[in-house]
Amino acid sequence: AQTVTQSQPEMSVQEAETVTLSCTYDTSESDYYLFWYKQPPSRQMILVIRQEAYKQQNATENRFSVNFQKAAKSFSLKISDSQLGDAAMYFCAYSSSGTYKYIFGTGTRLKVLA
Amino acid sequence: GAVVSQHPSWVICKSGTSVKIECRSLDFQATTMFWYRQFPKQSLMLMATSNEGSKATYEQGVEKDKFLINHASLTLSTLTVTSAHPEDSSFYICSATLQDRPSYEQYFGPGTRLTVT
Repeated sequence: AQTVTQSQPEMSVQEAETVTLSCTYDTSESDYYLFWYKQPPSRQMILVIRQEAYKQQNATENRFSVNFQKAAKSFSLKISDSQLGDAAMYFCAYSSSGTYKYIFGTGTRLKVLA
Repeated sequence: GAVVSQHPSWVICKSGTSVKIECRSLDFQATTMFWYRQFPKQSLMLMATSNEGSKATYEQGVEKDKFLINHASLTLSTLTVTSAHPEDSSFYICSATLQDRPSYEQYFGPGTRLTVT
């Protein structure tokens, strides 16, 4: 069975600085998708970034980028120029190709310090 | 696009009563809808997967008779918590997937906070 691990329960970053959130996963599949979701205090899940396992190029979305290491089964999220609005819970999720089901990590709470 | 709504956003019910939560995809037809439960400061726990016109598939440990799921159309799924008890108090989130979308992305509703007194 697949598992997703987020080893950092909480992280802090100064406003305008860069922070990296870690995520590792375990799978025997070769085709899958990885996601980072943000959950602010409103609790609405917001997609931050998506990575297809078959793509070698790391995904980027404005200030958000990932470091996808398929062999190491690692999928970290880098937030550049952190803003106060980035403060939230961040969840890493794994989805097998064809099932649509997500397996979520335990989450990392990000605090942004002014 | 790809907006999912939930109703109600917040509900209080008395122990022993049933409560229904609706999940709608507003601007797309959803192949599959999912129901999650989230306890405070914890991750999302998948309860069940539902496809339109089919019986829901429940995750291990989830009581089918307590959490009734009906997926009547490609835009509506409902979760009914039957004979609710205080331990059923939680935050319930639904999500939906877009037909023929290859990215396997789920679109999430805003959630429903259930309090059982």
